Amino acid sequence: DTGVSQDPRHKITKRGQNVTFRCDPISEHNRLYWYRQTLGQGPEFLTYFQNEAQLEKSRLLSDRFSAERPKGSFSTLEIQRTEQGDSAMYLCASSLPQGVSSYEQYFGPGTRLTVT
Amino acid sequence: AQTVTQSQPEMSVQEAETVTLSCTYDTSESDYYLFWYKQPPSRQMILVIRQEAYKQQNATENRFSVNFQKAAKSFSLKISDSQLGDAAMYFCACTFSGNTGKLIFGQGTTLQVKP
Repeated sequence: DTGVSQDPRHKITKRGQNVTFRCDPISEHNRLYWYRQTLGQGPEFLTYFQNEAQLEKSRLLSDRFSAERPKGSFSTLEIQRTEQGDSAMYLCASSLPQGVSSYEQYFGPGTRLTVT
Repeated sequence: AQTVTQSQPEMSVQEAETVTLSCTYDTSESDYYLFWYKQPPSRQMILVIRQEAYKQQNATENRFSVNFQKAAKSFSLKISDSQLGDAAMYFCACTFSGNTGKLIFGQGTTLQVKP
């Protein structure tokens, strides 16, 4: 297991187009998080999955954003009708089930989205 | 609402010397966890060190140690014997026991290491 992976690493799209990102967590991690990071800032929480259930969504996650985690394995984040303000790095992280070590999150390399 | 603040946007240190990065947080929770993450340029974020709020002893990981002052809500990171590979953006983060485990991050501090 080589860690959390994300695909694609970079995405350039035109305003108004839809985009979808994928995250593959570490295999035994049942918790999965999406964050958004703009240039020079810290990541901001978007949404959280425990297994296949989406248990928390940030107010940052507008109606144009949707996330899924079918079967509790990989996750996808879709942005519909992209806007220039959506340009950012989208980070995925995963962690072990409930317990002390579960508070440690392991991050993927991120998907950098540029909306032109 | 819980917040994490890093007041030093940039820091620099001479190779082999020691540098301290500052972080303060605000929470009404009694049980929480604090982290320092490192994000090298164009590379993924990795965990540097973790501190449980209920532990009085400061965490240490090799050249990295923290100064956790619970009453002051302060959580600074000390890097000893700085190396060129330590150059990165460092983020302080917090999460709270019993919740989803989502991390609340500070704004980050860019560390430059001079040879």
